[in-house]
Amino acid sequence: EIVLTQSPATLSLSPGERATLSCRASQTVSSYVAWYQQKPGQSPRLLIYDASNRATGIPARFSGSGSGTDFTLTISSLEPEDFAVYYCQQRRAFGQGTKVEIK
Amino acid sequence: QVTLRESGPALVKPEQTLTLTCSFSGFSLSTGSMCVSWVRQPPGKALEWLALIDWGDDKYYNTSLETRLAISKDTSKNQVVLTMTNMDPMDTATYYCARTPYRSGPLPPDYWGPGILVTVSS
Repeated sequence: EIVLTQSPATLSLSPGERATLSCRASQTVSSYVAWYQQKPGQSPRLLIYDASNRATGIPARFSGSGSGTDFTLTISSLEPEDFAVYYCQQRRAFGQGTKVEIK
Repeated sequence: QVTLRESGPALVKPEQTLTLTCSFSGFSLSTGSMCVSWVRQPPGKALEWLALIDWGDDKYYNTSLETRLAISKDTSKNQVVLTMTNMDPMDTATYYCARTPYRSGPLPPDYWGPGILVTVSS
């Protein structure tokens, strides 16, 4: 059973700064990793699939990279609406989430 | 336009069986390469994958919960039903259904319902 570990648990940044979120898998998962954004009271929103492909309608400031066991979600310049919790996912596993909060 | 919506009881008692229905539109589970997943989220906690059913009626379950879960579909009604037996207060969570495309394996769920909060309490 694959376990996904996200770091850091919380990221405190200011609007305009770059956010780098990490997701590590307990075993090789090729490139089948997705990233979701979730805001309070809302359903998860698919951002990235297959490690680096943006989902429909997702702004270019969101990018994903990685393969094997280490994956990264980068938000190049944080907009006010980007402060949320982010989850990585691989098949049946979800990470525990990284909260991006306003510094 | 793809939409999904969960329905069911907001409150169940311990040891009861929970039955949730996912009603969807904008896609079909009778054609190939499409599935529906259930995912839950306890208050303030992370997402947890529960179950998946595909167009061919193959079913997959979270190994930790599979003795308590059952998933089924009614393609004529565009509905997927999840049942969970022997409910416990630890099962209190928001339960989501989500469309899950398939390509040599399930892809990440791309459309999600708004979720339904189920509280387990006597």
